Amino acid sequence: GENVEQHPSTLSVQEGDSAVIKCTYSDSASNYFPWYKQELGKRPQLIIDIRSNVGEKKDQRIAVTLNKTAKHFSLHITETQPEDSAVYFCAASIGFTGGGNKLTFGTGTQLKVEL
Amino acid sequence: DARVTQTPRDKVTEMGQEVTMRCQPILGHNTVFWYRQTMMQGLELLAYFRNRAPLDDSGMPKDRFSAEMPDATLATLKIQPSEPRDSAVYFCASGGQGGTDTQYFGPGTRLTVL
Repeated sequence: GENVEQHPSTLSVQEGDSAVIKCTYSDSASNYFPWYKQELGKRPQLIIDIRSNVGEKKDQRIAVTLNKTAKHFSLHITETQPEDSAVYFCAASIGFTGGGNKLTFGTGTQLKVEL
Repeated sequence: DARVTQTPRDKVTEMGQEVTMRCQPILGHNTVFWYRQTMMQGLELLAYFRNRAPLDDSGMPKDRFSAEMPDATLATLKIQPSEPRDSAVYFCASGGQGGTDTQYFGPGTRLTVL
């Protein structure tokens, strides 16, 4: 089955700096890659996703890049703010026709943005 | 803004008791997932359903856990008997709308087994 590895497990940055979280996946058939943000005591929330027919996607201060050849994808957060402090999870799915396929999650990255 | 709902939000019980957690998926979503989250294990998939049919429950301890979807608006996860090692946050997520793989999580049930 699919295996997703995520690094680093913890990341501390100064406010205003950029943060990068990296994930690798094992199954070349994977074609959907979402990122979730989970604040303490809250539910994981989708912040951005990318499909395998796209190499990069941006949404304000957040961007995700995908390298299908190398089987890795990354989350980039620019101009970090204290409210970006949370655990971030990457995930991958093999998108069989019909949708609703299961996601394989990475182990999470605890991001701390320091003032 | 439609959301997945879960009840109860918090449950404290004693070892050996039965625990039932409930989830209402977003209307129109045909897939429901149950996850368990602990500090040590991250997000662990327990079971999932598509169009109310169980697709995969390989992540679930079969001797004590059971998951069902009695109708399209209700999914249940039951633990009988509960053990202290079951203490965790249990999340339900739904998805599948429009043929996508995007999942939306409920607020979770925090279970403590004493």
